[in-house]
Amino acid sequence: GQQVMQIPQYQHVQEGEDFTTYCNSSTTLSNIQWYKQRPGGHPVFLIQLVKSGEVKKQKRLTFQFGEAKKNSSLHITATQTTDVGTYFCAGPPGGNQFYFGTGTSLTVIP
Amino acid sequence: GAGVSQSPSNKVTEKGKDVELRCDPISGHTALYWYRQSLGQGLEFLIYFQGNSAPDKSGLPSDRFSAERTGGSVSTLTIQRTQQEDSAVYLCASRSGQWSYEQYFGPGTRLTVT
Repeated sequence: GQQVMQIPQYQHVQEGEDFTTYCNSSTTLSNIQWYKQRPGGHPVFLIQLVKSGEVKKQKRLTFQFGEAKKNSSLHITATQTTDVGTYFCAGPPGGNQFYFGTGTSLTVIP
Repeated sequence: GAGVSQSPSNKVTEKGKDVELRCDPISGHTALYWYRQSLGQGLEFLIYFQGNSAPDKSGLPSDRFSAERTGGSVSTLTIQRTQQEDSAVYLCASRSGQWSYEQYFGPGTRLTVT
């Protein structure tokens, strides 16, 4: 069945270091979304990518959608303690279901 | 405006009992999802409602799970004869329409089956 895997599962970085999480789907996605979930909180939408090879930036965050629309990445430059949380990618393979990735938990050490 | 609300925020129930979880989506949002998140895990899709269309129930893990959406607004997720493996946070999300993909999540209901 459909699987969306993310690596790494956990990442600890020193404040100021960069961070990247990778998302890989077993099937082509019509679009990819990224969500952030703070500890004890609920997922909050960050961004959506639709086009093959698309790159979007939000301040220190850079999002990429792969050419084959089966993978994506989120890169954070110069992490801050406010970046702490779990980052999920999610996408619909074309139907109604939304498959969420396994998530990457980011810890930022001050 | 008001976001997605869910009730109760926490529910502790005994194995074998039935539970009902409620979701109030953002007013005007036609699409509604239910997800389940076990401790430290990702989100597992359960069911999807879009307007007056038949719901997509393909993610429901067993026939003990059911959901309905009355009047295109409030939704109730019912779990019958609860089992310990049903313990998780149940999240509801809504989005404004079939062609809008951003999902707005509620705070979730933490279900504990003892």
